[in-house]
Amino acid sequence: DAKTTQPPSMDCAEGRAANLPCNHSTISGNEYVYWYRQIHSQGPQYIIHGLKNNETNEMASLIITEDRKSSTLILPHATLRDTAVYYCIVRINQGGKLIFGQGTELSVKP
Amino acid sequence: DSGVTQTPKHLITATGQRVTLRCSPRSGDLSVYWYQQSLDQGLQFLIQYYNGEERAKGNILERFSAQQFPDLHSELNLSSLELGDSALYFCASSPFLGWSTDTQYFGPGTRLTVL
Repeated sequence: DAKTTQPPSMDCAEGRAANLPCNHSTISGNEYVYWYRQIHSQGPQYIIHGLKNNETNEMASLIITEDRKSSTLILPHATLRDTAVYYCIVRINQGGKLIFGQGTELSVKP
Repeated sequence: DSGVTQTPKHLITATGQRVTLRCSPRSGDLSVYWYQQSLDQGLQFLIQYYNGEERAKGNILERFSAQQFPDLHSELNLSSLELGDSALYFCASSPFLGWSTDTQYFGPGTRLTVL
């Protein structure tokens, strides 16, 4: 599975969009980009995943660059409850373990 | 609520003891994964079961073992416990292997404290 690089921390004002970047320059053609988040010590929560097209669901949008070497998770209107550690994970979508890095600690401030 | 349940929520025990953590996957999910999260190691994959059979092993100690039962619930057994085993233990489940979408959904975790 390809390695990912994320900034260790970010701040965002409540109500603004939070844009969380992830670099995955060694991603291969059959690897998906997954995003999870962990609020305090709760179980990691699935957010979204994609292969090469941009994806949107009720929680977030995922923008993947054309060369697939990086992606951005967008929380359109961040709330205080979005304060969490966000993990970007690259993996083949055929089952198997998730490899968690250090993630980005997002702090949403009033 | 992910639909994955774990019991107990908290467990406090002494060194040298043995404990069992239980996980019930989401309805219809055949695959169960166990992860350990300690302060110094982050979230680490331990072991995966699929429809009752072990499929993959990660950094799981020999003192730890797991199994998945016919009703698909899984148990993680930790024995000869050491202080360093204190951690959060998460279970995740997913539907199939080799399917077009295999998203893992995590339970709330069991916090183990070894004194």
